[in-house]
Amino acid sequence: QVQLQESGPGLVKPSQTLSLTCTVSGGSISSGSYYWSWIRQPAGKGLEWIGRIYTSGSTNYNPSLKSRVTISVDTSKNQFSLKLSSVTAADTAVYYCARVPGREMASPADAFDIWGQGTMVTVSS
Amino acid sequence: QSALTQPASVSGSPGQSITISCTGTSSDVGGYNYVSWYQQHPGKAPKLMIYDVSKRPSGVSNRFSGSKSGNTASLTISGLQAEDEADYYCCSYAGSSTWVFGGGTKLTVL
Repeated sequence: QVQLQESGPGLVKPSQTLSLTCTVSGGSISSGSYYWSWIRQPAGKGLEWIGRIYTSGSTNYNPSLKSRVTISVDTSKNQFSLKLSSVTAADTAVYYCARVPGREMASPADAFDIWGQGTMVTVSS
Repeated sequence: QSALTQPASVSGSPGQSITISCTGTSSDVGGYNYVSWYQQHPGKAPKLMIYDVSKRPSGVSNRFSGSKSGNTASLTISGLQAEDEADYYCCSYAGSSTWVFGGGTKLTVL
């Protein structure tokens, strides 16, 4: 079955760019109608949707983060990535990648049905 | 785009039923039937429990059910079990291809 795995630096300096990659295994990132999302969770706090990408490259972002976020996809590597610029301590969180089936799929549509295990990113000098 | 409002905590005894509310606005919960619920145990990734307000994914116990009235969605867990103790998050489509989560509710099984 499809599995997701986040990877990237666990420590980022303030004002720099946070970069994470989500590797999709057990299936092709391009098959079917799926959106691929990033979600984060500060310690002891709730979930925050960051944004999503379709395999065509079409993206949608959280308005509160839009100016700093870029999500991209590399279908040849079966990966999608997150870049968050000008980070501050407020960006310290566990970052999750997740899959969202489109309405055309038999899977639960427009819901985050498969999640990665999450990766902790700390912003500190 | 503000976070949906959930109670910080709820509790119940084994065998009982509990309901967790999720209040939004007409721009999110009230405007679309795209509400989902997630269960998260400590240190684990969230797990999808309900989607499209009231549908259960394959493998999720029928003790979990969802509903919506106006701008408020609800998750009901019947026949509470010890393993249901976790954090629960609602999520709603918020228009313009964006999504918003609730602040989360900690369920304690007494």
